[in-house]
Amino acid sequence: QVQLVESGGGVVQPGRSLRLSCAASGFTFSSYPMHWVRQVAGKGLEWVAVISYDGRVKFHADSVKGRFIISRDDSKNTLYLQMNSLREEDTAVYHCARDPFKGAPDYFDLWGRGTLVTVSA
Amino acid sequence: EIVLTQSPGTLSLSPGERATLSCRASQSVTSRYLAWYQQKPGQAPRLLIYGASSRATGIPDRFSGSGSGTDFTLTISRLDPEDFAVYYCQQYAFSPSITFGQGTRLEI
Repeated sequence: QVQLVESGGGVVQPGRSLRLSCAASGFTFSSYPMHWVRQVAGKGLEWVAVISYDGRVKFHADSVKGRFIISRDDSKNTLYLQMNSLREEDTAVYHCARDPFKGAPDYFDLWGRGTLVTVSA
Repeated sequence: EIVLTQSPGTLSLSPGERATLSCRASQSVTSRYLAWYQQKPGQAPRLLIYGASSRATGIPDRFSGSGSGTDFTLTISRLDPEDFAVYYCQQYAFSPSITFGQGTRLEI
């Protein structure tokens, strides 16, 4: 079954760190760029970061640059998001998503259900 | 950053009716790099349309996308009860700065 399953969310205090994981199955994970997209409860979607299919190229949104780091482990078919110096405004559901093409970041043809991160004192 | 504005915020229709959702960009979206997604409560977004008018795999033909430049439209020709959800547009013309619209809620 082709799917993405996120994990690692939870409640964390401001300034602390958290690492999210996204387990991929049913497709050749190493062939696809991957993204993180977050969604504040009841609100819209915000793109967070992308990593190329080979892990060599990474981009992060300005709102998380210098605090979050996207990475991947193709041997484990897993995408990660290391979140440091967390702020209350980072509270959201974090989705991982697959990009169907190896070129410039595109649209997303497969999404996970997401994992909730709550940053609160 | 390119801003996408969706309208209306909420659209109230009945099954069988036609739905027209709008997405307006603050700058021209080159090469029609615009996608539409459907999201139901507690679920992941689902890709409906990419390249402004190409239907994703498995999407019923009652869904269609159109537009270019700064104005794009998602049309659902005959609403099915399962179509009531939130719809988002997304531009990828200015990647890696990918942005989404704020969403249109389609309610019965």
